[in-house]
Amino acid sequence: DTGVSQNPRHKITKRGQNVTFRCDPISEHNRLYWYRQTLGQGPEFLTYFQNEAQLEKSRLLSDRFSAERPKGSFSTLEIQRTEQGDSAMYLCASIVTSGGGDTQYFGPGTRLTVL
Amino acid sequence: GQNIDQPTEMTATEGAIVQINCTYQTSGFNGLFWYQQHAGEAPTFLSYNVLDGLEEKGRFSSFLSRSKGYSYLLLKELQMKDSASYLCAVRDPSGGYNKLIFGAGTRLAVHP
Repeated sequence: DTGVSQNPRHKITKRGQNVTFRCDPISEHNRLYWYRQTLGQGPEFLTYFQNEAQLEKSRLLSDRFSAERPKGSFSTLEIQRTEQGDSAMYLCASIVTSGGGDTQYFGPGTRLTVL
Repeated sequence: GQNIDQPTEMTATEGAIVQINCTYQTSGFNGLFWYQQHAGEAPTFLSYNVLDGLEEKGRFSSFLSRSKGYSYLLLKELQMKDSASYLCAVRDPSGGYNKLIFGAGTRLAVHP
C-alpha cells in the first residue's frame, strides 16, 4: 500500500456522459501527477500540481479534461462528454523524497470504460 | 523528441536470471526508474538510477550508462510471481516539474 488512494476503482459510462475521478495523495505531499495508461502502453503524463497550483498540462489534456486540487490535498480529474477513446486506466502519483531522490508512488488507478 | 525503447515481451524459466534492456533518447534527463506492473494493477517502484553504474536491491539490480542512453534491469532467482510488465521511465526535468516519460513496458512471462 503506497498510501495513495483513488476512487472509484472502476467506472463504466456511456459515451457523452461526464465522469469525475478522485485522488487522495500521501498525506502532506504537495506534489501530485496524473497519468493515463492504455492497454499495452506505459503511462502518459497528463498534468502536475504543486499544492493547489496546476503547473503543467500535457497536450493530451484536451479541453474536455479538467483537473483541480482546490485545497492542495486531494485532486479531481473530470472528463466531459466522454468518448470511447477515453477508455483507459487513470493513475495518480505523489512524490516521496528520500536519499534516492524524489520517487513517484502510484495509486491503484481508476479504470474507465466508455461504451 | 522523447523515445524510450524496451523489448515487448520476454520469457524466462523459474530460478533463472533475466535482463531487460531499455534505451532512451529524451530532451532532458534527471534519473531513470524501473517499475513493476501486474496486470490490472498500478505500477510499483523497483529502482532508481541517476549516476552511471549498478544499483542492487535484493534479487533486483539496475544499471545505467548515461553516455549510451542505456539501462537494464536484472532479475535473479526468478519466481512465478515475477511475471509482470516492467516499465522503464526517464524523469524529464524540462519545464521544471520532473514528469516521468515511460516506455511501453516489457511483458515478462516466467515458466516453471
